[in-house]
Amino acid sequence: GAVVSQHPSRVICKSGTSVKIECRSLDFQATTMFWYRQFPKQSLMLMATSNEGSKATYEQGVEKDKFLINHASLTLSTLTVTSAHPEDSSFYICSARDPDRGGDTEAFFGQGTRLTVV
Amino acid sequence: LAKTTQPISMDSYEGQEVNITCSHNNIATNDYITWYQQFPSQGPRFIIQGYKTKVTNEVASLFIPADRKSSTLSLPRVSLSDTAVYYCLSWKGPGNTGKLIFGQGTTLQVKP
Repeated sequence: GAVVSQHPSRVICKSGTSVKIECRSLDFQATTMFWYRQFPKQSLMLMATSNEGSKATYEQGVEKDKFLINHASLTLSTLTVTSAHPEDSSFYICSARDPDRGGDTEAFFGQGTRLTVV
Repeated sequence: LAKTTQPISMDSYEGQEVNITCSHNNIATNDYITWYQQFPSQGPRFIIQGYKTKVTNEVASLFIPADRKSSTLSLPRVSLSDTAVYYCLSWKGPGNTGKLIFGQGTTLQVKP
């Protein structure tokens, strides 16, 4: 089964509203999770590093007030796209490493969330 | 993290061996090379990782020459289901934050 799970897998929202995406680590605790965004036919772009119990670290050019990240527990990180606009429509993916299951090698990725803003 | 360069696309036929080469001229001494596979509308999936020489698992082989400025992912006897995007990445290795920076990737198209 999936080691990292995202919810929802698809979401359509109206322009101006906010959308929350959840990323859960299953059966392991993740002090650090990563959020990516991927536009059609492009590569993944790292948006931010989510740190449990502290503020997220955002990559250059990513608006922290628009993409709110909360990592309140060791198994859950959330990404909230605030005041979404059509240009925010994208595929959002999270990842984490399980230190007890090859954490020194592979990162596990969620199945992604397709956000469409209309 | 070292910038990686790969061919944008490759074509192959079922049953053939596919080799995808990645350049990473500025790789740091402690960086590892790792490869991921991504199918459309899915998150990437780990394939293989290495530091130098050759690594083999049930899915692929990875060869990294002594100068570590390049690496080659080898997929034996590909099938149609291997059609995907393959990403070559460098990362800091065990004990580090685990941040992965993705390059453009190689789109592999396997034909019947």
